[in-house]
Amino acid sequence: GENVEQHPSTLSVQEGDSAVIKCTYSDSASNYFPWYKQELGKRPQLIIDIRSNVGEKKDQRIAVTLNKTAKHFSLHITETQPEDSAVYFCAVKYIFGTGTRLKVLA
Amino acid sequence: DVKVTQSSRYLVKRTGEKVFLECVQDMDHENMFWYRQDPGLGLRLIYFSYDVKMKEKGDIPEGYSVSREKKERFSLILESASTNQTSMYLCASSPGLSPNYGYTFGSGTRLTVV
Repeated sequence: GENVEQHPSTLSVQEGDSAVIKCTYSDSASNYFPWYKQELGKRPQLIIDIRSNVGEKKDQRIAVTLNKTAKHFSLHITETQPEDSAVYFCAVKYIFGTGTRLKVLA
Repeated sequence: DVKVTQSSRYLVKRTGEKVFLECVQDMDHENMFWYRQDPGLGLRLIYFSYDVKMKEKGDIPEGYSVSREKKERFSLILESASTNQTSMYLCASSPGLSPNYGYTFGSGTRLTVV
């Protein structure tokens, strides 16, 4: 079955800096790669996704890159703000990564 | 907006009780899922369903069962609640017939078994 690993488990950045979270997977047949954001006490929400026919997708300050050969995809957040503080999850098929707690320090 | 509604936000049950967690979605999604979320373990799939009366085991189905009698409703049943089932339970739905679409999650049910 699919195996999903997410790193780092925690990440602290200064406000305005960039943050990168990486997710690796095992099944080369996978072709849909979403990222979810979960703020404290709230439900996870889809923030960006990418399909295997593209290598990068951007939406304002967030972007996702995909390397199908190496079987990993990454979430990039630029110009981080305090409201970006949350737990971020990647997912492949029905399997979620264990999450990354991002803290943006003012 | 798609809405996924879980019937209870907080539940406290006694060991051995039969517990029902209900989830309803209003956008005609084919797929519905039950996950449990525990600190450090992320979201783990309990069961999912891709059609009415269909169900598939996820990674941790032991001690749980599910029911999907109508397309919009997916119920999680704890046959005999145990303390190790204390957790946050999240229901989700997605369109389509394959895992190629994002999920919409419910607000979660925090279950405590005493």
